[in-house]
Formats: sequence, structure tokens, C-alpha cells
Amino acid sequence: DTAVSQTPKYLVTQMGNDKSIKCEQNLGHDTMYWYKQDSKKFLKIMFSYNNKELIINETVPNRFSPKSPDKAHLNLHINSLELGDSAVYFCASSQDLGQGSGRYEKLFFGSGTQLSVL
Amino acid sequence: AQKITQTQPGMFVQEKEAVTLDCTYDTSDPSYGLFWYKQPSSGEMIFLIYQGSYDQQNATEGRYSLNFQKARKSANLVISASQLGDSAMYFCAMREINTGNQFYFGTGTSLTVIP
Repeated sequence: DTAVSQTPKYLVTQMGNDKSIKCEQNLGHDTMYWYKQDSKKFLKIMFSYNNKELIINETVPNRFSPKSPDKAHLNLHINSLELGDSAVYFCASSQDLGQGSGRYEKLFFGSGTQLSVL
Repeated sequence: AQKITQTQPGMFVQEKEAVTLDCTYDTSDPSYGLFWYKQPSSGEMIFLIYQGSYDQQNATEGRYSLNFQKARKSANLVISASQLGDSAMYFCAMREINTGNQFYFGTGTSLTVIP
């Protein structure tokens, strides 16, 4: 079973369209994330979300919105797509082990979605 | 200030040789975790190794070891006996106690293993 799965793997669309990328994790983690990886391979955090708090990177345009129907899912919806949105989008999840543990769980990544806006 | 700095955009290593990929970090938290990920050309992110700030010994996982120098705030990845399949992007990352759910990534180092 894939721990973090995201679909689709490839998404080609026209400028101005609205699209969604789905993400599901079966690890029971309490926090999910969306990252954008640009052509220079730089990984930029877009959102992190658990059942208590949504943290939005302030540089993310409000055309991007996370939607979480439940703890195991965090979908990414993008309105009015632009050429600059072309990138690889990674969903990820992790668990907060608690501040007292002194341990930190790693980030589990999905396989990525290659978004191409034409 | 950058939380994670990787100063080597690209590195080359001869097959079967060892290579060190540099990573420095910036935090005022006493407790944090450091991670290395590998991203081959196929695109997936592969976890390699983890080091906790309170760990007394340097982490090792097979051919990967982490040279953790806490006072210098460095967490360099050492790959021994390089293989052609090690050619990939390598990312260093950190997770802090005060921002427990946030991961900070470096800009990555592209490693090419030469036969």
C-alpha cells in the first residue's frame, strides 16, 4: 500500500482553467503538507494542515486553496491557472511526536504531480 | 536568514569513492531534527537518514552517514563507496521544536557519480 498517494501524476491544462490535485495518506498522520518544486528544484512549502490549524505560506497566491474533507486527505485546488504555476507539486504527511519526545518524524512524500500550464 | 544552507549546487565523485555533501542550519531551538532526502531523476523523494539534536552519536544508514557537528551547526551527508545510482539531487531539511510541524529544506545539491 502506498503511504502517501496523489493523483494525477501528470496534469496538462490551459491557462485560466481550474484544477485539483488529490492527496491521501494511510499512515494516520495528523499533519499534511503541500510543496511546490520549481524548475530549479527548490522545494517551497505552500501549506501545512492538521485538524487544528492551517498554516499558509504568505507568498502563496490565494488562487491556491487546500481542502481537507478528513484527516487522511488534503486536496489542492488551483483557480485561474497561470503559466508560472507550472511545477511539480508534492503532497506529504508527518506526525508530530510531541515536544517531550525529542524525536522528530520524517516527512513522507507522495510521488508528485507534474503540472504543465499551456 | 536561511534555515538550511547547502552551498554546493553540483558535485562530482568517482564511482567507489566517498563524497561529502554539506549542510548548515540555523536555529535557536535546543531541540530539532535533521533529515536528508534523495531525489533521483525519476522525481520521487526518498528519505535517507535522520539525526536528532540530542543524539550522542552520528547517524548511519548503510552507506550513508551524517557528520553532525552541533557547535558548528552542520549536518553533512557522507556517502561511502559511491555508486552510479547515487546520482541525484540531495536535500537537507530541518524540523524544529518550536515550529513542530514545519520542515525547512535547503536548495539541494546535484550529485553526479562518474564511472
